[in-house]
Amino acid sequence: EAEVAQSPRYKITEKSQAVAFWCDPISGHATLYWYRQILGQGPELLVQFQDESVVDDSQLPKDRFSAERLKGVDSTLKIQPAELGDSAMYLCASSPGAAFQETQYFGPGTRLLVL
Amino acid sequence: RKEVEQDPGPFNVPEGATVAFNCTYSNSASQSFFWYRQDCRKEPKLLMSVYSSGNEDGRFTAQLNRASQYISLLIRDSKLSDSATYLCVVRGGNKLVFGAGTILRVKS
Repeated sequence: EAEVAQSPRYKITEKSQAVAFWCDPISGHATLYWYRQILGQGPELLVQFQDESVVDDSQLPKDRFSAERLKGVDSTLKIQPAELGDSAMYLCASSPGAAFQETQYFGPGTRLLVL
Repeated sequence: RKEVEQDPGPFNVPEGATVAFNCTYSNSASQSFFWYRQDCRKEPKLLMSVYSSGNEDGRFTAQLNRASQYISLLIRDSKLSDSATYLCVVRGGNKLVFGAGTILRVKS
């Protein structure tokens, strides 16, 4: 069964450092999502791509976060500089399109700890 | 007020029990509704969609009340393996909004 791949699975960094996460969606999936999940909360959408275009980045803290999906396939999410409050699980998800009833398939996530 | 609200629990129940979770949402224009399951330190996985007519999948039954903006999940004959966090999810436009989840612990 096809899966969403993410790396690294775990990342420990010091505040003010830069970190980057990678996501490879299920092959053929046009829509890619990055979510942040703080412990005890539900996932919160950071950015949504349709192919290589950003559809929604309204919740992305653009002063320190950036995301790209240059060829409309895999994607990177970067944080620079990292802050203590960025400690969370970063989840990538993909879906075939953007239709209302489509299921989003999540990757295993990257756990980030900022010290 | 949060867009999607759930009782965080935990709900501690014995094996074989029936347990129900509720969820309320604030956006009356929401179009689609789901329950996701998330195991500890794992990613969320779709459990079931929720339809206005109500739907059942084995031991799981989901109900939607649009007038009251209320969603429920009923689990019958609870198994140890049902222990997880259950996330109520609402779609408005092209965006999913997740509740914070309800923790279920099924004990032998």
